Amino acid sequence: DIQMTQSPSSLSASVGDRVTITCRASQGIRNDLGWYQQKPGKAPKRLIYAASNLQGGVPSRFSGSGSGTEFTLTISSLQPEDFATYYCLQHNSYPWTFGQGTKVEIK
Amino acid sequence: QVQLQESGPGLVKPSQTLSLTCTVSGGSISSGDYSWSWIRQPPGKGLEWIGYIYGSGSTYYNPSLNSRVTISDDTSKNQFSLKLSSVTAADTAVYYCSGFGRYIDYWGQGTLVTVSS
Repeated sequence: DIQMTQSPSSLSASVGDRVTITCRASQGIRNDLGWYQQKPGKAPKRLIYAASNLQGGVPSRFSGSGSGTEFTLTISSLQPEDFATYYCLQHNSYPWTFGQGTKVEIK
Repeated sequence: QVQLQESGPGLVKPSQTLSLTCTVSGGSISSGDYSWSWIRQPPGKGLEWIGYIYGSGSTYYNPSLNSRVTISDDTSKNQFSLKLSSVTAADTAVYYCSGFGRYIDYWGQGTLVTVSS
């Protein structure tokens, strides 16, 4: 199985801060990676597909980068509605695997 | 707009089989555009991919559950289903169905299944 190591597991930030979350794959996965946002009691929502492509309707303050084994999700200016848990998902090899999640909390 | 809705018992006894159905509207599960997946999330924990069914009925399962999982579809009803046998308390989770496409994906709202006697 491909292990997705996501960091940090949690962070505290203020509105307007720039936030960066990283996922590292245990082996190369090309750009077969998505980033998801999950709010309490809700299903995950994909923000980024194919590592760096913004899903339709997602604010442009979200961006993704990386290829191979290192991937980053960046929120350029954190907004109140962005406080949530974020996951990466690799769909390059079976079984598909998620990162452990990063909880973004209000500072 | 594709919509998905999970249905099934919210309580299952240990050693029994968990059965859930996902009804898809706004798109055909036989179109080949999406992989129809099941994902679960134990309370307070992260996400786990269970497996999917695709196209002509090809299935892929997470090896951690492989011997207990069956995913099937009923194209006449535009539904796909999950069966998980020999459940234990560790299988208590919110179960999501999803239509995964490279450019867009869709999720159901999730359904909590509790394993308890």
